[in-house]
Amino acid sequence: ETGVTQSPTHLIKTRGQQVTLRCSSQSGHNTVSWYQQALGQGPQFIFQYYREEENGRGNFPPRFSGLQFPNYSSELNVNALELDDSALYLCASSVGLAGMSYEQYFGPGTRLTVT
Amino acid sequence: AQTVTQSQPEMSVQEAETVTLSCTYDTSESDYYLFWYKQPPSRQMILVIRQEAYKQQNATENRFSVNFQKAAKSFSLKISDSQLGDAAMYFCAYLVEEGGSEKLVFGKGTKLTVNP
Repeated sequence: ETGVTQSPTHLIKTRGQQVTLRCSSQSGHNTVSWYQQALGQGPQFIFQYYREEENGRGNFPPRFSGLQFPNYSSELNVNALELDDSALYLCASSVGLAGMSYEQYFGPGTRLTVT
Repeated sequence: AQTVTQSQPEMSVQEAETVTLSCTYDTSESDYYLFWYKQPPSRQMILVIRQEAYKQQNATENRFSVNFQKAAKSFSLKISDSQLGDAAMYFCAYLVEEGGSEKLVFGKGTKLTVNP
């Protein structure tokens, strides 16, 4: 069984640029959630995708957007990067809704630094 | 709003001894799920244990067990026979179902040090 994978591991961007982070969900999981973890804090929910549609969003501006593909992998896109976007971005997969497992399994994260 | 509070920013324990990490949460729901996650320096969040609120029996996973007090909204994690590999950040989390999604609300974490 393949776990959750994320790419890239690290990324350095300049303020104002755009970035795309990628996540492959665990085998058999149809739901992907994205979290932002600032240094010294717990993760904060960005949004969740189920069957290629966004079905929930946290308190993040529209410049944070995402996609989910038919194979349940997902992308997180951030436009107009700001210094405060520097964080660890975590992807988690789960068997959502009909599966109702409620357990979310996390990938290793992407460390984004905005300069 | 649902909140999760971990009042111990740091804890330490001697190898082979027992340590308890505290967590309280706030919710108006009667049925919900609680979790403890471990985040070692490698950064990957690892699920340690889960508790369903409708179950009175405390969850146990090998050396890890919880003390779930529903009325007090308390959910502590006990680690027995602590090992060096248990050193990590530990996060308590509450699962919220909102608008069709299921999101985890995390506390700020407790850094656990295991001394040899």
